[in-house]
Amino acid sequence: SQQGEEDPQALSIQEGENATMNCSYKTSINNLQWYRQNSGRGLVHLILIRSNEREKHSGRLRVTLDTSKKSSSLLITASRAADTASYFCATGPGGVQGAQKLVFGQGTRLTINP
Amino acid sequence: NAGVMQNPRHLVRRRGQEARLRCSPMKGHSHVYWYRQLPEEGLKFMVYLQKENIIDESGMPKERFSAEFPKEGPSILRIQQVVRGDSAAYFCASSPSGHRTLKTQYFGPGTRLLVL
Repeated sequence: SQQGEEDPQALSIQEGENATMNCSYKTSINNLQWYRQNSGRGLVHLILIRSNEREKHSGRLRVTLDTSKKSSSLLITASRAADTASYFCATGPGGVQGAQKLVFGQGTRLTINP
Repeated sequence: NAGVMQNPRHLVRRRGQEARLRCSPMKGHSHVYWYRQLPEEGLKFMVYLQKENIIDESGMPKERFSAEFPKEGPSILRIQQVVRGDSAAYFCASSPSGHRTLKTQYFGPGTRLLVL
């Protein structure tokens, strides 16, 4: 079964607004990563947050991680039409061997309306 | 520095035929991962390879699927006797060697397989 579950499944907002997506997971992790996928394209790595970190920023992106609640959030500020895409969280499970296997959630489909 | 290359980008096969998907990792990367994505779903891990070694194939179906990453040349994901349920997007990712737990995986554009 999928480790990560994103919430909401779909999100539609106006350009300029902030978009928040959440991800929950079930087992221990080494790190959590967020990826973006434009329709029919490959995945673009956005940001990686380690299990001992609580918050990380990259440009207009802000990611938080709460290991006690097994959840993460991705905030995109001042959204643009080009941010329209599906966003996936992926966890790198704990344990030496499992660290290489990313487990993806179902994704959040974000639509930015001009 | 070219990214992860996959070919073909689109592949159409009839039931019972073989599908071969190729992946060339980023320059300097020695670790390759294959994932499968069904429509409207997230990616699911299939197999993790290093040069000439399969490290983790826990996501590979037991039959008809195989993967290799030879010393020279691209990684190959091979699906024998394809069925309609194999229709999906297959993504390859690569990462550099180094600290095992903190490597970012860089994804290719994917191969979209359609089985008629």
